[in-house]
Formats: sequence, structure tokens, C-alpha cells
Amino acid sequence: AQSVTQPDIHITVSEGASLELRCNYSYGATPYLFWYVQSPGQGLQLLLKYFSGDTLVQGIKGFEAEFKRSQSSFNLRKPSVHWSDAAEYFCAVGSYSGNTPLVFGKGTRLSVIA
Amino acid sequence: NAGVTQTPKFQVLKTGQSMTLQCAQDMNHEYMSWYRQDPGMGLRLIHYSVGAGITDQGEVPNGYNVSRSTTEDFPLRLLSAAPSQTSVYFCASRPPTGLEEFFGPGTRLTVL
Repeated sequence: AQSVTQPDIHITVSEGASLELRCNYSYGATPYLFWYVQSPGQGLQLLLKYFSGDTLVQGIKGFEAEFKRSQSSFNLRKPSVHWSDAAEYFCAVGSYSGNTPLVFGKGTRLSVIA
Repeated sequence: NAGVTQTPKFQVLKTGQSMTLQCAQDMNHEYMSWYRQDPGMGLRLIHYSVGAGITDQGEVPNGYNVSRSTTEDFPLRLLSAAPSQTSVYFCASRPPTGLEEFFGPGTRLTVL
């Protein structure tokens, strides 16, 4: 069965420090991978996506993610965190068929301290 | 484009009451979906639709009904609300040439 695991429920980082949020997936076919961000009281916004090609993808707000097929991972990174990055982050996986629902991880809550 | 819109933003119901959460999109997306979000549970799929007249169940469909009479609208009905349905509900849509979903702002529902 398809699944997404985000091992960290809550992460706290200092402003200006680097960030890595982990995502592992289990998927039978070629996965299409996504990271979404949800600010408090808001809907989900797409940060970046990976379909094929270069395994390092750039997204909005200075985020990037690297697809590692051998590790079934799609970790999200940011070199320097800003206080406004405090939010919940969701990893999701989908398939080539446009009619197949996405599978979401349970999310990682990021807190940023001064 | 307004994108994906949801109404109402907030709603309080009593146990046993019925209501419909509205969802509309103006992007001509065939695929639409409903999720509920609960603390520690992430997003769980309730129902989805791949086009007008076609709906299917997701992970947690019990207690919810949907229909899709037009491409634009995908309402979610609670026939007899229960406290376990207290949650934040998100509607989303997906373009035909992409796989990412675009989310609405959500409806926060409390059932007393």
C-alpha cells in the first residue's frame, strides 16, 4: 500500500539555522512527490514538486528538496530559516494517473525561535 | 480566478443536525476532493471526484455524502452530524495536466 512517513512530529530551529524535514514514501510505481506548507489557520500551499529529471528541485520561499530513489526519500531543506517559516509541512506522493488520490504524511510542525 | 472557494468558514452544529459544506472552483478542473484535518492525523481523504457525475470514497467516507452535478461544484453533506465530525475540512482541485492539488481555505466545523 502507498504510504508517506514524516518521522518528525515537531521540530524547533533557531532563526538563521539550516533546516531539513524528512519524508519517506512507500509506493509501487514511479512516485510523484510534493511538499506543501500550511500556515496557522490557512489552507495548504504547494512548495515544490518532483515528477522526473533533476533529483534536486527548487521551490518557493527558498526551499529545495532532493529525491533519493535508493532511500525512498524526499527531504525538504532550507539553508537559513526565517521566523515566517514557522508552519506545518506536509509531504505527499501521487502516481502517474491523474485520477489517483494523493497520499499525505501526517505532517511536521516547525517552530522557529530567536 | 478565485481558485478554490469554500463556505462557510466556520460552523457550529448540534448533534443530529445536517448541513452542506460548499466547495467551488473556477479553474475548470475535473478532479476535486474533500479532506478532513485533525491534530496528529494529517489530512485524510473523505471523497473525491474525477469529473461531473463520478464520485468515489476515500479513507474516511462514513457519515458523509457527495455529489458532482457540475465541474465547478463539489458539495459535502453531513446527514446527521456527530461530535466525531468536529474537524477542519479542506476541498481541493487538480488540473488535468498536473498532479498537484490546489486547496481551499478550509471550513472549521464544531459539532456539540
